[in-house]
Formats: sequence, C-alpha cells, structure tokens
Amino acid sequence: AQSVSQHNHHVILSEAASLELGCNYSYGGTVNLFWYVQYPGQHLQLLLKYFSGDPLVKGIKGFEAEFIKSKFSFNLRKPSVQWSDTAEYFCAVTTTSGTYKYIFGTGTRLKVLA
Amino acid sequence: SAVISQKPSRDICQRGTSLTIQCQVDSQVTMMFWYRQQPGQSLTLIATANQGSEATYESGFVIDKFPISRPNLTFSTLTVSNMSPEDSSIYLCSVTRGVTSSSYEQYFGPGTRLTVT
Repeated sequence: AQSVSQHNHHVILSEAASLELGCNYSYGGTVNLFWYVQYPGQHLQLLLKYFSGDPLVKGIKGFEAEFIKSKFSFNLRKPSVQWSDTAEYFCAVTTTSGTYKYIFGTGTRLKVLA
Repeated sequence: SAVISQKPSRDICQRGTSLTIQCQVDSQVTMMFWYRQQPGQSLTLIATANQGSEATYESGFVIDKFPISRPNLTFSTLTVSNMSPEDSSIYLCSVTRGVTSSSYEQYFGPGTRLTVT
C-alpha cells in the first residue's frame, strides 16, 4: 500500500535558521507531490506542488522542495525561517492514475522562536 | 482556487446521536472529498462524494456509519451516525476541479471539530 513518511514530528528553530523537513513516499509509479501548511487556527493551504519537469519547485513564502525520484523523497526547505512560519506541515502524494486520492504524511509541527 | 465553507464549525454531541456536516463551495467542482483528522494524526480520506450517485468509501469506512450526499456540483453533506467518543475528530471537506493535471490540487475547507461525550 502507498504510504508517506514524515520523519520529524516536532521541530523547533530560532528565527533565521534554515529548515528542511523530510518526506518519503512508497509507490513505484508516477506521482504528484504536495506540501500543505496549516497555520494555527486556519485551514490547510497549498504551499507547493510537483507534477513534472524541474524537480526543484518553488512555492509561496520562500519555500522550495526537491523531488529526488531515486530516493522517493520530496523534502521541504527554507533557507531562513520566520516566526510566522510556525505551523503544521503536511506532505501528500497522489498517483497519476486519475483517482485524485491523496495520501498524507503524519505532519510536522514547526515552532519558530522569535 | 475555491472557497469552501463548512457548517457547523464545531459541535459537542452525545454518544449515540448523529451529526450532519455541510460543505458548500463557491463554484462548481468535479470532485468532493471528506477527510478525518483525528487528534495528533494525519488526514485520512473517508470517501469521495459523487454527484448523483453513491459515494465511494475507503477501506475502514462504511456508508451506514458515514452516509454522504452530493445533490449538485457545489454541495455535499457528511453524516456521522451513532457517534461514539472515538468519532471525536476534525472532519474536512476538500474539492478539486477539472480533468487536467492541475485538477490534482485540492482545496480544503476550514473543518468541523466534533467532540463526542
């Protein structure tokens, strides 16, 4: 069965620190990959997505993610976090078979200290 | 994008009762989904709400427990039936559009926080 693993459940960083959140998936076929963010008290929002092409994708608010097919990974990065990045981050995968079914990771709760 | 509203935003219910959650989208969408997010856990897909036909349920979820309706392309309801404390969770509606690759992007509603006592 397909699955998505996010290795870091809780991350605490100081402002200006660099961020990398891990995401690995298990599926042998072609996938679409997403990172969603949920700020405190708000609903899930799309941060960035990968469908095809350049494996380095840039999203909103300075976030980027790199798709490494050989490692089945789609790690999220930001060179310098801000206090406002405090949120929960979810990696999600869907196959390209047209089912639109998302498989979500367990989420990483990021706290940025001012 | 799509603007999604859910009602109620939260509720506290007694065990054995049922609650119907509404999901309204500001424009027509092709696919509507219902997810559950239990405390400290990730989102789990309950079912895909199909317009004009029965919903498609994921493994572990059944129609008797989670009946779903989708009478048109902008509205769906999820009922949590015969509730128990284990049903305490956030229930989320999501939607996607079209038939191109961009349609794989899903938009999420604000969620309904359900507590069963």
